Amino acid sequence: NAGVTQTPKFRILKIGQSMTLQCTQDMNHNYMYWYRQDPGMGLKLIYYSVGAGITDKGEVPNGYNVSRSTTEDFPLRLELAAPSQTSVYFCASSYLESTGELFFGEGSRLTVL
Amino acid sequence: AQSVTQLDSQVPVFEEAPVELRCNYSSSVSVYLFWYVQYPNQGLQLLLKYLSGSTLVESINGFEAEFNKSQTSFHLRKPSVHISDTAEYFCAVTRGGADGLTFGKGTHLIIQP
Repeated sequence: NAGVTQTPKFRILKIGQSMTLQCTQDMNHNYMYWYRQDPGMGLKLIYYSVGAGITDKGEVPNGYNVSRSTTEDFPLRLELAAPSQTSVYFCASSYLESTGELFFGEGSRLTVL
Repeated sequence: AQSVTQLDSQVPVFEEAPVELRCNYSSSVSVYLFWYVQYPNQGLQLLLKYLSGSTLVESINGFEAEFNKSQTSFHLRKPSVHISDTAEYFCAVTRGGADGLTFGKGTHLIIQP
């Protein structure tokens, strides 16, 4: 049972490049989330999904896109990377019935130069 | 909308001393409250939660938190800390459902030998 798996763990991008952060969970969770974590700022919600085919914006969605074609996968797409997107990105998932108990991946550290 | 304030960005304490990490929240509706812990280079893990019932909740490793509605607080305490408690601690709230969590900025607990 792997839980929530994120790839890659580290990536360096040049300004203007695009990339996809992958997230997959094997717990059959309905809800999935993408957060970004910046030093001293806590975690901010980028996008979330309540099930396959359904996504919605969080607090800081600009510059990102997501899709949810299956229950297991929730990739985060960065288009035209900017230095402001340098951050650690966390994917998380939870049960429909489990209030607030999120299971987190180990994070993906992205640097945009 | 809800918000979370963690008043201390860092809390240094000596090993075996007691500690309190402060958390205050703001919300126009009822919320559920959580503490998450993040060890170095890892994702977040749920430490304890308040959903309803007894206002004092405990974790398996000796931490406790008390929900105080009148003071809108959910402070985290431990009577005697261990070096292994060194981590970043995040207070979080949610209205429930698929909303996801709103996190505070985190408190870095530093245990000094």
